[in-house]
Amino acid sequence: EIVMTQSPATLSVSPGERATLSCRASQSVSSNLAWYQQKPGQAPRLLIYGASTRATGIPARFSGSGSGTEFTLTISSLQSEDFAVYYCQQYNNWPPALTFGGGTKVEIK
Amino acid sequence: QVQLVQSGAEVKKPGASVKVSCKASGYTFTSYYMHWVRQAPGQGLEWMGIINPSGGSTSYAQKFQGRVTMTRDTSTSTVYMELSSLRSEDTAVYYCARPNEYSSSSGGCDYWGQGTLVTVSS
Repeated sequence: EIVMTQSPATLSVSPGERATLSCRASQSVSSNLAWYQQKPGQAPRLLIYGASTRATGIPARFSGSGSGTEFTLTISSLQSEDFAVYYCQQYNNWPPALTFGGGTKVEIK
Repeated sequence: QVQLVQSGAEVKKPGASVKVSCKASGYTFTSYYMHWVRQAPGQGLEWMGIINPSGGSTSYAQKFQGRVTMTRDTSTSTVYMELSSLRSEDTAVYYCARPNEYSSSSGGCDYWGQGTLVTVSS
């Protein structure tokens, strides 16, 4: 089973600053990596798939990079609505499976 | 527009079973797989399994093998997730989620149901 590890667990950032979130896979997942944002009481929202492709309607301040085992989600200038929990997720083609990281909470500094 | 609408909250006793539904609309039901993901209170996301609505084939996370059954009804564009032998640790919000790749189990999940809270308590 592929294990996804996110760091840090909590990130304190001031509005307007840059946030960098990391995700590491225990073995290569190629570019089969997605990022989600989740706010309290809501379902997760897809931000990035294919490691670097923004989902429909996602602002350009969100960007993803990496391949293999090391991935990064960057939020270039944090807005008030960006304070949330972020999850990375790998997806295998076969056997089909998803594995999520433990999440990074981005909080107001 | 694509919508995934799940059934309402459930309260079950330990040892019982629960069946959660997810009704899809706004797209061709048999053209996209469907995942089930759960989230315990204050915890992260946990994948349970996937169903191909076209043929009904399934793949389950090892943790849930033997306890989970995913089915579909193409006449109503609905997928179901049944979890048996419930214990308190199964208390969670259960989501259905559609991957964004056509006719593939791969891809990020771009549409999610609203979630169904299942509470297991004696």
